Amino acid sequence: GAVVSQHPSRVICKSGTSVKIECRSLDFQATTMFWYRQFPKQSLMLMATSNEGSKATYEQGVEKDKFLINHASLTLSTLTVTSAHPEDSSFYICSALRGQTSGNTIYFGEGSWLTVV
Amino acid sequence: GQNIDQPTEMTATEGAIVQINCTYQTSGFNGLFWYQQHAGEAPTFLSYNVLDGLEEKGRFSSFLSRSKGYSYLLLKELQMKDSASYLCAVKGGGFKTIFGAGTRLFVKA
Repeated sequence: GAVVSQHPSRVICKSGTSVKIECRSLDFQATTMFWYRQFPKQSLMLMATSNEGSKATYEQGVEKDKFLINHASLTLSTLTVTSAHPEDSSFYICSALRGQTSGNTIYFGEGSWLTVV
Repeated sequence: GQNIDQPTEMTATEGAIVQINCTYQTSGFNGLFWYQQHAGEAPTFLSYNVLDGLEEKGRFSSFLSRSKGYSYLLLKELQMKDSASYLCAVKGGGFKTIFGAGTRLFVKA
């Protein structure tokens, strides 16, 4: 079964509103989570690295005031798309790092389809 | 800068073997991943290499040469369900994982 749960899987929102996507590690504590965005037929683009208890580190070109990330607990990170616009419509995926050094323990959530109308 | 290159598309026949190559240039290296992604779904983990050599897991094998910045994913006994995108990803410094653009594999009967 899934070890990282992402919710909602699909969401439609009106332009100008905000929408929150949750990413939960189900049976382990994840001090580090990652948020990605994927446009159709394109690669995953790393948006930000979320560290529990501290501010997220955003990749160049990602607006931190538009994509708010909160990692308030060791099992939950949230991505809030503020004042959403149609161009924000995309597939957003989170992943969680289990442990610090083990390599094959990055688990992905199921992804969230955001459609802004 | 950081760069990961892999072919855009490949086509192979059911039952055959296909090799998907990946070359990378990254700042820091803490491992290379291969993921399979079907359209509209999140990626699923296939393999992880951090040391040079070949890792075999059932029908899938992955090879890494750190000195050459090169990896490949080998798929044997291809099945129709293997039609998907295959993503090469490198975990760099700080454990950030950077993805290649993916290789779309089409398996034909």
